[in-house]
Amino acid sequence: NAGVMQNPRHLVRRRGQEARLRCSPMKGHSHVYWYRQLPEEGLKFMVYLQKENIIDESGMPKERFSAEFPKEGPSILRIQQVVRGDSAAYFCASSLGGLEPQHFGDGTRLSIL
Amino acid sequence: EDKVVQSPLSLVVHEGDTVTLNCSYEVTNFRSLLWYKQEKKAPTFLFMLTSSGIEKKSGRLSSILDKKELFSILNITATQTGDSAVYLCAQGVTGGGNKLTFGTGTQLKVEL
Repeated sequence: NAGVMQNPRHLVRRRGQEARLRCSPMKGHSHVYWYRQLPEEGLKFMVYLQKENIIDESGMPKERFSAEFPKEGPSILRIQQVVRGDSAAYFCASSLGGLEPQHFGDGTRLSIL
Repeated sequence: EDKVVQSPLSLVVHEGDTVTLNCSYEVTNFRSLLWYKQEKKAPTFLFMLTSSGIEKKSGRLSSILDKKELFSILNITATQTGDSAVYLCAQGVTGGGNKLTFGTGTQLKVEL
């Protein structure tokens, strides 16, 4: 399967714990985007990364959230000290850049107890 | 913040019907308009439109963009139960790497 791969598919955390969400882009794609989908809401942009660089993080909450896309390995979205309001589906998308469309993974559904 | 509005919010039709889904957008730095189909998992890419008046077509689905009136439509002819999904419209902007602003979607249900 050469699509965007996200893991885990489901993640349960208790309040105050850390959540790490992983995304491997499609083969050949070096542009990665993270979006969050809250219940009954549309997808909201969080952050855009290229290899080793954060290009646009205008949608990221100012605290507790961080993202990286290292030279080797998947992109990671990290949420520290999770709260109930972080419960959502987190989607990763990748593209070739430029005007090429973004292709999405199946998402990680994060539940906070 | 740019806003993307989709209508109707939900729609129930019978197999064989033709449906038209609407998407309007507000633009400061318009770059592209995209349509996705979302069932239970990943939004699946359908179309990307950048030029007015040029219809894109894939099987029973087609889409067109009007940059003067700031809207796009997605048509589905001869609908099938497998077309049941949420259809998402998104706007890409210049600068910032083409991040997408999504509408809340149209929930389409196709009944037998």
